[in-house]
Formats: sequence, structure tokens, C-alpha cells
Amino acid sequence: GQNIDQPTEMTATEGAIVQINCTYQTSGFNGLFWYQQHAGEAPTFLSYNVLDGLEEKGRFSSFLSRSKGYSYLLLKELQMKDSASYLCAHRGSGGSYIPTFGRGTSLIVHP
Amino acid sequence: DVKVTQSSRYLVKRTGEKVFLECVQDMDHENMFWYRQDPGLGLRLIYFSYDVKMKEKGDIPEGYSVSREKKERFSLILESASTNQTSMYLCASSLSGTVGNSPLHFGNGTRLTVT
Repeated sequence: GQNIDQPTEMTATEGAIVQINCTYQTSGFNGLFWYQQHAGEAPTFLSYNVLDGLEEKGRFSSFLSRSKGYSYLLLKELQMKDSASYLCAHRGSGGSYIPTFGRGTSLIVHP
Repeated sequence: DVKVTQSSRYLVKRTGEKVFLECVQDMDHENMFWYRQDPGLGLRLIYFSYDVKMKEKGDIPEGYSVSREKKERFSLILESASTNQTSMYLCASSLSGTVGNSPLHFGNGTRLTVT
């Protein structure tokens, strides 16, 4: 199976740094995605990790450890507009390209 | 920029009605997907298609069917709508699975209410 766990909700203060964790269990691995979804809108692609390590994209970074089945999304210099749901999605191996989504983490940024 | 368009943003239907949800993408993507999204349950895959006229069941196909007669269009059909199918339905497309970094591109969703 591809069980994916991430926290249901997190809160943080504007200007701070927040780390959203995602753990997964699977018999194979073919990439891990992070998506952002604002209330009432479609999810949009943020990042993709297939190798271990940190991928940085401006204020957002994503980390992967395949041996630990673990990823995190790091958001720096938080802004109010970062209040959204963050979805972790894992894609298995064996030619499967179908991602399985976690339940999402709702991030609330306070002034 | 990829555009995935869902025909309706909001729909209200009665129990027992046949419901069609339409989705069109403009980037010649091979793969198309239908998900439903419910509070506390996240995104769950209903059906997907990797080519014209091809379809595969996802995790929760019961009560649904799909049609893909043209590459750009993927339709979700509720043969006889029930109240437990009230949900947000999201269509997505992506490049072929042979492309490693091929994220899903989502439509804006259709919020379906069955009364």
C-alpha cells in the first residue's frame, strides 16, 4: 500500500518559517509531489522530488529521504497568502504513474 | 500554460438523475483523471485514462463510469445520482507516465450537490 501521513492542521505567524512533514509507506518509489490548494480553488503544483536531498524554489523548499519514507515542505518568510492546504502526493514504482494523495495539511498564517 | 476546463462550477441534481461532468484539456496530455475531494478524506481517485477509449478504475469507482472518446475530453458519469455522491469533483491531466516529472494539472472543480 501507499499510506501517506501528514498533519491535519498547522498555524504559524507571518514572517516565520514552517515545516510541513509527510511520511509514506510503499513497496516502491517513483517521485513525491507537493501541491498547494487555496480554499475553493484547484490544487497547483509546487515541487517534485525523486532523489534524496533538498530542492529549493524561492521561499519554498522540499526535502526527501527515500530510506526513511519522509518528505517535508519548508515555507520561509510566511505571508498571509500562504494560508492554504498543502497536499503531499506519492507515486509508486513498477511503471505506475498514478499519484496517491495524503489528506492535506491546512496551514493558517496569523498576522 | 496548461488549461483544464470543467464545464460546470456548481451543479445541483436530484437523487436518481443521470449526471454528466465534462472535462477538457488543451495540452495534448495522454493521461486524464477524475478525483473527488471530501473534508477529512482528501483527494480520492475515481477513474483514470491513459489513452483514448482506455479507462482504469481508481480507488472508488462504484457508482461512476467514464468516457474518453477524444484525447482532450474526459467525462465522468453518475448513472443514478445519490446523496453520498455530493462532493467536489476535480479533473486533472498529465503527460505520459514515461515522463518522470509529470505533475497533475487540475481543473477548478465542480461542486455537485445531490438532493
